[in-house]
Amino acid sequence: AQSVTQLGSHVSVSEGALVLLRCNYSSSVPPYLFWYVQYPNQGLQLLLKYTSAATLVKGINGFEAEFKKSETSFHLTKPSAHMSDAAEYFCAVSEYGQNFVFGPGTRLSVLP
Amino acid sequence: SAVISQKPSRDICQRGTSLTIQCQVDSQVTMMFWYRQQPGQSLTLIATANQGSEATYESGFVIDKFPISRPNLTFSTLTVSNMSPEDSSIYLCSVAGGTNTGELFFGEGSRLTVL
Repeated sequence: AQSVTQLGSHVSVSEGALVLLRCNYSSSVPPYLFWYVQYPNQGLQLLLKYTSAATLVKGINGFEAEFKKSETSFHLTKPSAHMSDAAEYFCAVSEYGQNFVFGPGTRLSVLP
Repeated sequence: SAVISQKPSRDICQRGTSLTIQCQVDSQVTMMFWYRQQPGQSLTLIATANQGSEATYESGFVIDKFPISRPNLTFSTLTVSNMSPEDSSIYLCSVAGGTNTGELFFGEGSRLTVL
């Protein structure tokens, strides 16, 4: 069975500061890993994905994530937060693109 | 990528009534997925809808409460039956990506409030 944990249901950063959202997973097979963003009153939008290629994955809006098998982690980072980054972020794991499991989500607030 | 349209985008419903949510995709897809996102929560898969066969429901969800139709490869509906305030949620339609990389694409969601 797969599972996803996201440390911190709410993270606040100042505008221009580093964004770090944590995701740890468990999977019985090599995982596919994803980060999605949900802006208020919208659906989920794919930020980036890992599917067994390069371990450092770059996504949209300046976000990137690094797959660390030894740590079973897939943390999301952005060097400099922008006000428009305020949203809910979901980490997800799947088995070869099937059987998606979503984490509980982390709400990112960006302070001026 | 797939473009997914959902209707209605939001609605306020009375207890005991039923509401049907429509999902239209701009390309033919084999499987469509229906998720529920309760207030402040993550996504929970309700069922997988395959064209030409009965939907497959996840544990805790039953066809009588959430009947699904899948008449063709671009369209599906989810009905929330005999609603109660506990059904107040965002309902999301989703399809898998067109490649083996397996990301999901989501509609904008249907936000239901049951009074």
